[in-house]
This record gives sequence, C-alpha cells and structure tokens, in this order.
Amino acid sequence: AQSVTQLGSHVSVSEGALVLLRCNYSSSVPPYLFWYVQYPNQGLQLLLKYTTGATLVKGINGFEAEFKKSETSFHLTKPSAHMSDAAEYFCAVSDRRNTGNQFYFGTGTSLTVIP
Amino acid sequence: DGGITQSPKYLFRKEGQNVTLSCEQNLNHDAMYWYRQDPGQGLRLIYYSQIVNDFQKGDIAEGYSVSREKKESFPLTVTSAQKNPTAFYLCASTVTGTSNTQYFGPGTRLTVL
Repeated sequence: AQSVTQLGSHVSVSEGALVLLRCNYSSSVPPYLFWYVQYPNQGLQLLLKYTTGATLVKGINGFEAEFKKSETSFHLTKPSAHMSDAAEYFCAVSDRRNTGNQFYFGTGTSLTVIP
Repeated sequence: DGGITQSPKYLFRKEGQNVTLSCEQNLNHDAMYWYRQDPGQGLRLIYYSQIVNDFQKGDIAEGYSVSREKKESFPLTVTSAQKNPTAFYLCASTVTGTSNTQYFGPGTRLTVL
C-alpha cells in the first residue's frame, strides 16, 4: 500500500513570507499526486494535482508544487502567504495501477499565518 | 450547479441509536467514498463503491454500513456498534479510469450525546 508523509503537523509563517509544506510518498511507481485545502468545518478543495508531464504544477490561490521523482516528494509552495491561506492542507496519492481509485492521505499540516 | 451534497451539516444522536448520513452527487461520477476525519489523524476510508449495487470495506468499516442503489446516492449508516462515532464525515466521488481526482462534499459533523 501507498503511504504519505507530511512533515510538520503545524507550520507558522508571517504574512508575505514563503509557504513551504512538505510531502513525501512511498511507491516504486510514481503515483498521481494531489494537494487539498480544508477550511474549518468544510470539505476538501482540490488545490492542484500532478498526473503526467511538467513536474512543476500550478494550482489555485497562487500555490504550486513540484514533483521530484528522485526524492519521492511533492512539496507545496506559495511565494507570499496571505491571511486567507490559514487552513489545513492535505497531500494525497493515488496508485496509477490501482483500479480501485483509492486515495492515501497524509495526516495534514495546519498552516497559521501571522499578521 | 454540479456537485456533492451532504446532509445534514450537523447531527446529534444518543448512544445506542443508528443514524444515516446522506451523500448525493450530480456529477455522474462512478465511484463514491466515505471518510472519517478526526483531529490530527487525517482522513480514514470507511467504505467505497465503484458501481451501483457494489461496495467495498475500507480501513475502518466496523460499525458502519452503506448502500449504493443509485449511481448518485451513497448513504452511510453509523450503527450502535460503532464505539466512538463522534467525528467529521466526508463523502467524495470520482470518475473511474481517469487521474482519480476525488471531489468532496461539505461534510457532516456527527456528535454522540
């Protein structure tokens, strides 16, 4: 089975600072990779995904992530944090070979933005 | 508008009672999923269904039951056998055979009194 590791359950940044949320996966075959954002008492919203092609993926709200096969990583970044970015972020993977379409989620990273 | 709806948003139940959470989608997605979310534990898969009249257990199916009589509906019943049912429940759906992107409903927060 796949596994997803998000380093840092809580990350704090100052408004305007760089946001870096880390995600590593375990798989011999690169999976599909996703980042989701969750605001309090709401569902998950897709930020971006990597399926194939260009390894730098741009998403909504100014976020982007880079797939690095050699590092089995898919870290999420944003150049300048905004107060509205404060939320929970989840990295997820889906096995390309698995017709069950199951997702494997990390445990999440709570982002705090300090004014 | 296409999307996934879950109802109710908040649900309270007494110990020993069964309760059913609704999940409906009008995205024409084949597969649907139920997750449970607890603080600090991420999402855990309860059940999923890839086609009508078929479903599979996830990692934490004990104390839960589902049905898939229609493509657009995937209700979850939390039974009295579930020892710690207080949690946030999320429903998701996807189109099979694609990049597997899952789309989520707004969630139902269940509290056992």
